[in-house]
Amino acid sequence: GAGVSQSPSNKVTEKGKDVELRCDPISGHTALYWYRQSLGQGLEFLIYFQGNSAPDKSGLPSDRFSAERTGGSVSTLTIQRTQQEDSAVYLCASSLRQSTDTQYFGPGTRLTVL
Amino acid sequence: GESVGLHLPTLSVQEGDNSIINCAYSNSASDYFIWYKQESGKGPQFIIDIRSNMDKRQGQRVTVLLNKTVKHLSLQIAATQPGDSAVYFCADSGTGGGNKLTFGTGTQLKVEL
Repeated sequence: GAGVSQSPSNKVTEKGKDVELRCDPISGHTALYWYRQSLGQGLEFLIYFQGNSAPDKSGLPSDRFSAERTGGSVSTLTIQRTQQEDSAVYLCASSLRQSTDTQYFGPGTRLTVL
Repeated sequence: GESVGLHLPTLSVQEGDNSIINCAYSNSASDYFIWYKQESGKGPQFIIDIRSNMDKRQGQRVTVLLNKTVKHLSLQIAATQPGDSAVYFCADSGTGGGNKLTFGTGTQLKVEL
């Protein structure tokens, strides 16, 4: 596609429920990143994919967070047993390969946990 | 640890004036820096980047300056327009390119008519 797309754009859920957030990277981009942005804050790195493997998961805040990528394209970020502190905008980015290739961001998914 | 921070949370400028947004970083080994613009409700948009072997890079109406001696990065916007109003983030990819970006907290640029 022309850019990184994410769905849903907004998600409201109840505490304790599981949620899945989807990212479609730019076609041909092998690197994919997930970030989290809390209100009025900068972006916090969560996880990085190169192809279907995730060599860097260091930013995942707890074992309730997981992500996968299939076919070297679409990625899903799953949050289990959501907590109110999980409320944030979840942003996905992709880059052509890795290292210093420019990361292009999607519009984000705004998650609200009630 | 590595951190990237901004000096001012909010910057107000008059339309047509030049804007300068500053950023400090702590990792002296960082070799790649990026500026992003984020408008309300949107994802960050790439503006310009610079590698550590350079001290200045120019784009369209924007210039990034890198001072490795004092670990300081700045973004200059010429003839600021209302459409420039947004939050600006600097980011650092650490060493060897890196696989993740470390972002500062952002500066809100407000353009007054």
